[in-house]
Amino acid sequence: AQSVTQLGSHVSVSEGALVLLRCNYSSSVPPYLFWYVQYPNQGLQLLLKYTTGATLVKGINGFEAEFKKSETSFHLTKPSAHMSDAAEYFCAVSDGGYQKVTFGTGTKLQVIP
Amino acid sequence: DGGITQSPKYLFRKEGQNVTLSCEQNLNHDAMYWYRQDPGQGLRLIYYSQIVNDFQKGDIAEGYSVSREKKESFPLTVTSAQKNPTAFYLCASHRGEVGNQPQHFGDGTRLSIL
Repeated sequence: AQSVTQLGSHVSVSEGALVLLRCNYSSSVPPYLFWYVQYPNQGLQLLLKYTTGATLVKGINGFEAEFKKSETSFHLTKPSAHMSDAAEYFCAVSDGGYQKVTFGTGTKLQVIP
Repeated sequence: DGGITQSPKYLFRKEGQNVTLSCEQNLNHDAMYWYRQDPGQGLRLIYYSQIVNDFQKGDIAEGYSVSREKKESFPLTVTSAQKNPTAFYLCASHRGEVGNQPQHFGDGTRLSIL
């Protein structure tokens, strides 16, 4: 069975500071990993995904994530936070094929001016 | 532009009433999903369908029903048996295998009890 844990339901950073949102997963096979962003009263949008290959994945809006198999982690980072980054972020994992995707409980990012 | 349309954006349900949430996609995706979102609980899978005229229960299917008569449409009915229906409902779709393809989401329907 697959599962995902997001550490920290709320994270606050100052504008211009590093953003680090943590995600740890559990999967019985090599996982497929995703980060999505959700703005208030909207659906989720894909930020980036890891399937195979390069472990450092670059996404939209300057975000990137690194797949670390030994740590079962897929943390999301951005070097410099912008006010527009304030949103809720979801990590998701799948075992591949036609298995369903499991979402984490989300992390709300607050950016302080 | 292709996408997923959910309607209505806001919906109110009276006691004992069934209500239906609409989800339409023009992305030509085979697979469609319904999720329920509650604060602090992330997204929980209600039902999913990988092909027309076929669907499977997700983790929290009790009190909900779906149909998939057309590829483009996957309506969700919240029945009177669902005692705590207040939530944000999201419809999603994807092409190919869910494991390596991102899901596309609609903008949700917020359901409340009157």
